[in-house]
Amino acid sequence: SQQGEEDPQALSIQEGENATMNCSYKTSINNLQWYRQNSGRGLVHLILIRSNEREKHSGRLRVTLDTSKKSSSLLITASRAADTASYFCATDASGSNYQLIWGAGTKLIIKP
Amino acid sequence: DTAVSQTPKYLVTQMGNDKSIKCEQNLGHDTMYWYKQDSKKFLKIMFSYNNKELIINETVPNRFSPKSPDKAHLNLHINSLELGDSAVYFCASSQVGVNTEAFFGQGTRLTVV
Repeated sequence: SQQGEEDPQALSIQEGENATMNCSYKTSINNLQWYRQNSGRGLVHLILIRSNEREKHSGRLRVTLDTSKKSSSLLITASRAADTASYFCATDASGSNYQLIWGAGTKLIIKP
Repeated sequence: DTAVSQTPKYLVTQMGNDKSIKCEQNLGHDTMYWYKQDSKKFLKIMFSYNNKELIINETVPNRFSPKSPDKAHLNLHINSLELGDSAVYFCASSQVGVNTEAFFGQGTRLTVV
């Protein structure tokens, strides 16, 4: 079943602007992961945040996690045309045999 | 070197046929997965498998069956293909345990006509 829900479903911004995507989930988790999917390609892991972490950075990516609200956000700063892709959150739910549960994704378009 | 590779990339076939998609990973991972991504981009796990346990999503029709000749391979067999089977199928692998990421193949776009 789908646990994560990304918001918005689609986002179009100008190159150079920041992009923020949100993810909500329903159950207790071990961690939450963000992946990117370029058109016609497989998913690529971006960042993992553990349930006891509140914020994590990787290059131009910043992820926050609020376990009390069961939500996470992915911020991409200084966006580039190459960031155009779909972004998915996935939760490794407690007691799930480590199976990831996926949201429907946010389609991000960066306009040059 | 491709970490997770699956073949073919595209597969067009007629209803009722039986087909297979192959997947291989060279990461030494102990768990492999098959996912289905529909036209709305929802990712649905179909199977997860390691050398100890096969976990099947109960919503997957029994026309779909995973076959693992060894730890590095997990092939997907589909019998009696139906129009609704058209989707992109992704193979993935990971090391079992908490806080590990999954690595995906490039996907196989299956079209049933």
